[in-house]
Amino acid sequence: DGGITQSPKYLFRKEGQNVTLSCEQNLNHDAMYWYRQDPGQGLRLIYYSQIVNDFQKGDIAEGYSVSREKKESFPLTVTSAQKNPTAFYLCASSAGQRAETQYFGPGTRLLVL
Amino acid sequence: QKEVEQDPGPLSVPEGAIVSLNCTYSNSAFQYFMWYRQYSRKGPELLMYTYSSGNKEDGRFTAQVDKSSKYISLFIRDSQPSDSATYLCAMSASSGSARQLTFGSGTQLTVLP
Repeated sequence: DGGITQSPKYLFRKEGQNVTLSCEQNLNHDAMYWYRQDPGQGLRLIYYSQIVNDFQKGDIAEGYSVSREKKESFPLTVTSAQKNPTAFYLCASSAGQRAETQYFGPGTRLLVL
Repeated sequence: QKEVEQDPGPLSVPEGAIVSLNCTYSNSAFQYFMWYRQYSRKGPELLMYTYSSGNKEDGRFTAQVDKSSKYISLFIRDSQPSDSATYLCAMSASSGSARQLTFGSGTQLTVLP
């Protein structure tokens, strides 16, 4: 089955802690994205990567970091600098640079203890 | 003012009704228009994709784009309880640009049996 997997489904963060959200895709897509979704709001772009070993900041990158060491993997770290991390995090991918046809993973819900 | 405005609802309709979902936008550079469906606590799935103005039909779903009015619509015919979800519109200014997707905040739809 081709698709995007995200883990864990739920994640709890303590004050001052960094946490990493996993995103893996086996669609052979070049581009990958991280979005944040808050209740009643649309998706906001955190980071995106068009090729391996390259990534760019989105609209709300502060307090987050990413890496793209492999084509199929794009992990997101929520650092302690992100003061309001509670949200639903969505990973997506697209073939080439066709951002208009993005396919999403099931999401990770991050909660702060 | 947001670049993309979408009525959040909630919208409740009886089974079999025709549903009309809408978005307005302010950026005249948008050329690609998408509709995503998102079930509760799941990732969005691409439903319809339209380039420039005009209509596109896929089964019970019809997407309309009116660039002169900066207005897009999604119509669902013979609505079913399984259509109950949040519908997100998304837009892109150009192909070949990995980051440029702007989302509406979503309309929550409930189809009552």
